[in-house]
Amino acid sequence: KQEVTQIPAALSVPEGENLVLNCSFTDSAIYNLQWFRQDPGKGLTSLLLIQSSQREQTSGRLNASLDKSSGRSTLYIAASQPGDSATYLCAVRWNNNDMRFGAGTRLTVKP
Amino acid sequence: NAGVTQTPKFRVLKTGQSMTLLCAQDMNHEYMYWYRQDPGMGLRLIHYSVGEGTTAKGEVPDGYNVSRLKKQNFLLGLESAAPSQTSVYFCASSYWLAANTGELFFGEGSRLTVL
Repeated sequence: KQEVTQIPAALSVPEGENLVLNCSFTDSAIYNLQWFRQDPGKGLTSLLLIQSSQREQTSGRLNASLDKSSGRSTLYIAASQPGDSATYLCAVRWNNNDMRFGAGTRLTVKP
Repeated sequence: NAGVTQTPKFRVLKTGQSMTLLCAQDMNHEYMYWYRQDPGMGLRLIHYSVGEGTTAKGEVPDGYNVSRLKKQNFLLGLESAAPSQTSVYFCASSYWLAANTGELFFGEGSRLTVL
């Protein structure tokens, strides 16, 4: 069964810290992996998309890496800010039309 | 630039009532999806469509029906609402995978409460 797991479920860090969010998935034959941000009561905003042939993608203070062989992706956030507080969701698309989501990591960055 | 638009944004139903959620996208995407989000469970796929006139079941299809009569619209119907269908519903769309990245774009969500 194709599943996506995110650990930890919640994370609290002081402002300025660098941090890593983890995503693991079963079945390494993925099509792509996408990281989203969700603010309370809002929709999902796409942060980074990594194709199966890529190892990492970067956007500003965000860097996402992909290791298909181990079934893992990480989202690195540099110099965290209170505005980064949100839930971060990892979604994996395998070679079908389905995209499966992890339950998310709720991040709190304290001033 | 509307992107993906969902209506209504909020709805309260009584058990047994029916309703339809509308998703509209203006990006000419082939693929459209309906997800539900429940606390601590992430998003689960209800139904999806790979093109006009086609639909398919996702992970949790029971109790829902869908239709894709026009490429830009994807409707999610509840024929007889149950309290277990209280959730936040999200619509998403993407281009055809083989020719594009498959990046998923989401609507703002529709919060449904069934009493």
